[in-house]
Amino acid sequence: DIQMTQSPSTLSASVGDRVTITCRASQSISSWLAWYQQKPGKAPNLLIYKASSLESGVPSRFSGSGSGTEFTLTISNLQPDDFATYYCQQYHNYPCSFGQGTKLEIK
Amino acid sequence: QVQLVQSGAEVKKPGASVKVSCKATGYTFTTYYIHWVRQAPGQGLEWMGIIKPSGGDTTYAQKFQGRVTMTRDTSTSTVYMELSSLRSDDTAVYYCARVVVDSNGWYHFDYWGQGTLVTVS
Repeated sequence: DIQMTQSPSTLSASVGDRVTITCRASQSISSWLAWYQQKPGKAPNLLIYKASSLESGVPSRFSGSGSGTEFTLTISNLQPDDFATYYCQQYHNYPCSFGQGTKLEIK
Repeated sequence: QVQLVQSGAEVKKPGASVKVSCKATGYTFTTYYIHWVRQAPGQGLEWMGIIKPSGGDTTYAQKFQGRVTMTRDTSTSTVYMELSSLRSDDTAVYYCARVVVDSNGWYHFDYWGQGTLVTVS
């Protein structure tokens, strides 16, 4: 099974900051990676798919990059609505797997 | 618009079974696959399995093999996830999620249900 490891687990930042979250796969997953945002009590929401494609309706301050085993999610000009938990997910093969999550907190 | 609407919260005793439904609207039911993902309180996301509504084919995570059954009813565009022999550590929010599909396979989850809390106590 492919293991997904996110870092950091918690990130403190201020409105207007630029932050980066990293996701590493235990083996190559090409570009078959998605990023989701989850707020308390809500289902995850798709932000990025195929490592760098922005889902329709998602603000352009979200961007993704990477391939193979290392990926990043960057959020520029943080807005109050962005403080949430972020998960990466690989869908290269079964079983699909998620990172453990990164909680983005207000500093 | 696309919606996945799940059944309501459940409270079950250890050893019992639970069946959660996920009704799809706003798209052609048989052309997208549905996955089930669960999230224990304060924890991350855990993949449980997939069902292909067109033929009913399923693939389950090894962890749940023998305890989970995913089915579908094409007449009502509804998929079901039944988990048996419940334990306290099965307490979680259970989500259904639709995946993008093409001739090469399936991809990311583009729509999620609202979640169903199952409490085992």
